[in-house]
Amino acid sequence: EADIYQTPRYLVIGTGKKITLECSQTMGHDKMYWYQQDPGMELHLIHYSYGVNSTEKGDLSSESTVSRIRTEHFPLTLESARPSHTSQYLCASSGLGGRSDTQYFGPGTRLTVL
Amino acid sequence: SQQGEEDPQALSIQEGENATMNCSYKTSINNLQWYRQNSGRGLVHLILIRSNEREKHSGRLRVTLDTSKKSSSLLITASRAADTASYFCATVQDTGRRALTFGSGTRLQVQP
Repeated sequence: EADIYQTPRYLVIGTGKKITLECSQTMGHDKMYWYQQDPGMELHLIHYSYGVNSTEKGDLSSESTVSRIRTEHFPLTLESARPSHTSQYLCASSGLGGRSDTQYFGPGTRLTVL
Repeated sequence: SQQGEEDPQALSIQEGENATMNCSYKTSINNLQWYRQNSGRGLVHLILIRSNEREKHSGRLRVTLDTSKKSSSLLITASRAADTASYFCATVQDTGRRALTFGSGTRLQVQP
């Protein structure tokens, strides 16, 4: 079982609200990632971080923002949620060394914007 | 798909049968990984094969990699109902960032 946590697991909110999806890991991993996944579809990388104060945008353009102030914490924020943001958001992390490319995933946050 | 195709998109078999899934990718890679996702959950890493490896085994899993064809296959032997899930291949490119690029996935249903 991976030690990576996401909260909330489910979130239903109205259009225009600001939300923050939390992700934390206790494995000391330096690299962390956010993916977006629609039901039955592939994962798309939206943000990644290789360490504290390092963040990059991924392949899929996203209106969300991220921060990495602490190694273990990688929150994702939507300033003004819209129905098009409805999706599942998956957080992952990976570490140093020989297994550095293996990613460990959290359980996901299923977001519905009404 | 941003990565390539997985084939088949869906597969239904009986318990005890073998399941084979294929994955193709587009770029030069450092390694290829397979992940499993149970419905509505996060992904679980199954196996990693490096670009200089051709075959790898882990329990009932066998993965092959053909870099000349840019393709990989995952074989699950003696399948069980608990193997029912979606299976994704993902690659790490040979240069640049180490993030994963995912395929479109194969939905496997194992009938008891």
